[in-house]
Amino acid sequence: DSGVTQTPKHLITATGQRVTLRCSPRSGDLSVYWYQQSLDQGLQFLIQYYNGEERAKGNILERFSAQQFPDLHSELNLSSLELGDSALYFCASSVGTPGVSGANVLTFGAGSRLTVL
Amino acid sequence: QQPVQSPQAVILREGEDAVINCSSSKALYSVHWYRQKHGEAPVFLMILLKGGEQKGHEKISASFNEKKQQSSLYLTASQLSYSGTYFCGTEPNTGNQFYFGTGTSLTVIP
Repeated sequence: DSGVTQTPKHLITATGQRVTLRCSPRSGDLSVYWYQQSLDQGLQFLIQYYNGEERAKGNILERFSAQQFPDLHSELNLSSLELGDSALYFCASSVGTPGVSGANVLTFGAGSRLTVL
Repeated sequence: QQPVQSPQAVILREGEDAVINCSSSKALYSVHWYRQKHGEAPVFLMILLKGGEQKGHEKISASFNEKKQQSSLYLTASQLSYSGTYFCGTEPNTGNQFYFGTGTSLTVIP
């Protein structure tokens, strides 16, 4: 158990629908990252939050949105789903404190596998 | 912005050595290395900070050339358990994005 909790583990839905993926970071970590990994592909950076605020944005589609709440858990919302959105979505957390060596070492959750039919 | 890794894939026999390279177009503060087994989450291996240091963990070590913005991961006397996909991750000197490389699939066979 890495300490990063993601729910749900598996999700099957239809095109056009909306889903929410949830992530609880490791205790003490302030930063949360979201990555998308399509079948046998690399890790595509979506977005990063630090202590409730958006810190960096990657290749996140406009149909996707995320936020980090005061208790530091994060949610990734995916809407108007398309077949191509089927992927493994990973959340990772880190201490994230600016200027601290190694503060951005990532601990990953087990992932949420989304299948869009 | 995504670091480029080479080779894309490599197959080794147990006991052989391998080198995986990671190259970035941005000036880097640090380079991380992670390993992902099939169907599992990536797991952190090591971090290298700018300063050209080399780190090691048993038979896996890495180097970081900050002038060239390159890092290399060295796997010596490979074991079956080394199989997986290796990703480098890079922190730039400026900005907050943390990008993973394109990945290198490593398969160790008996």
